[in-house]
Amino acid sequence: ILNVEQSPQSLHVQEGDSTNFTCSFPSSNFYALHWYRWETAKSPEALFVMTLNGDEKKKGRISATLNTKEGYSYLYIKGSQPEDSATYLCAFNRNGDNNDMRFGAGTRLTVKP
Amino acid sequence: DVKVTQSSRYLVKRTGEKVFLECVQDMDHENMFWYRQDPGLGLRLIYFSYDVKMKEKGDIPEGYSVSREKKERFSLILESASTNQTSMYLCASSPLTGNQPQHFGDGTRLSIL
Repeated sequence: ILNVEQSPQSLHVQEGDSTNFTCSFPSSNFYALHWYRWETAKSPEALFVMTLNGDEKKKGRISATLNTKEGYSYLYIKGSQPEDSATYLCAFNRNGDNNDMRFGAGTRLTVKP
Repeated sequence: DVKVTQSSRYLVKRTGEKVFLECVQDMDHENMFWYRQDPGLGLRLIYFSYDVKMKEKGDIPEGYSVSREKKERFSLILESASTNQTSMYLCASSPLTGNQPQHFGDGTRLSIL
């Protein structure tokens, strides 16, 4: 069983704070890492698909980095807003089959106004 | 806009009942998935299908079965519901290949009494 670990499990920040959290995955047989945002009462929404060591992706105030050699990815949120409150999931794909994804338990972010 | 639709947002059933959860996607995706999500755990794969009438067990198939008679529809069946199957169930779809994220439905919160 592949272990995909996310930390912290939950996080509370004030509006305007910048924050980051981690996804760790097995460093062997890497193919892709996916980040999703899951807001309450909505469906998980894809944020990034990352494939290359050293990749950096950005969408507005959210960015992500990837280190495949050491097996981790960071998600950063700059200037957090209450609408960023959600659970952030990462998923690890080791072989290119889109049916082989292993999800972490998520980091639940709460941004207080 | 792409869409994965789950038949119910909330469902309450009794122990021993046969329960059907339906999922429909409009993206002509080959892959379809059923996950359950429980507090503190990642999305756990129950079953997936890569083609009509094809199905593969995921990590936790016990107590469940699936049906894919048409490409757009993937049904999850709880043969005889038990209280430990109370959970959030998510359906997803994706293309067969390529670095494509999965597209999720809004989830069904199922309670077994």
